[in-house]
Amino acid sequence: KAGVTQTPRYLIKTRGQQVTLSCSPISGHRSVSWYQQTPGQGLQFLFEYFSETQRNKGNFPGRFSGRQFSNSRSEMNVSTLELGDSALYLCASSSAPPLTEAFFGQGTRLTVV
Amino acid sequence: GQQVMQIPQYQHVQEGEDFTTYCNSSTTLSNIQWYKQRPGGHPVFLIQLVKSGEVKKQKRLTFQFGEAKKNSSLHITATQTTDVGTYFCAEGGSEKLVFGKGTKLTVNP
Repeated sequence: KAGVTQTPRYLIKTRGQQVTLSCSPISGHRSVSWYQQTPGQGLQFLFEYFSETQRNKGNFPGRFSGRQFSNSRSEMNVSTLELGDSALYLCASSSAPPLTEAFFGQGTRLTVV
Repeated sequence: GQQVMQIPQYQHVQEGEDFTTYCNSSTTLSNIQWYKQRPGGHPVFLIQLVKSGEVKKQKRLTFQFGEAKKNSSLHITATQTTDVGTYFCAEGGSEKLVFGKGTKLTVNP
């Protein structure tokens, strides 16, 4: 079956702009979570959605938001981009809680200039 | 908040040598998962350990969960160049993973 698909793969944005990233989970998976990966901070949890409801949110400013649609596809949005938002954004899907195995997408590499 | 400490941060070995990475927590872990991320790639699930003292093997990889469920290790026997990448441990909750910082393994052929 198809894996987790993230689009776009690469993005270059200017400070102050906003960006929307998309994630299509594995078919049948209802849980989608987002992580930010940077060399300094490693992999950090952003938020998790299950059946269109945000169940958990990491320690990120309100500029980071997300949503999940009825088909389980998810988007995350970052507004008023800062240089420090440059990172690899990874989406992971799983079938159901508890989290026994997460399947990650290839990620979106965001560069803010 | 939850923290999972992972050491070492980097490890360089000669092909054929063994490699071990360790994860530690000050609190009891509900479970521990291990992921591998190849250079330029994304994390790929390797295994999950749940029980105290659990040991699991996958070919040359041996995973252990401590008796107190506060530490875990991944040991690779006779490394190969295909083992290069960053190995992460993570505590899996019902909604999120809390990752260690990872151990980056390089293998000299």
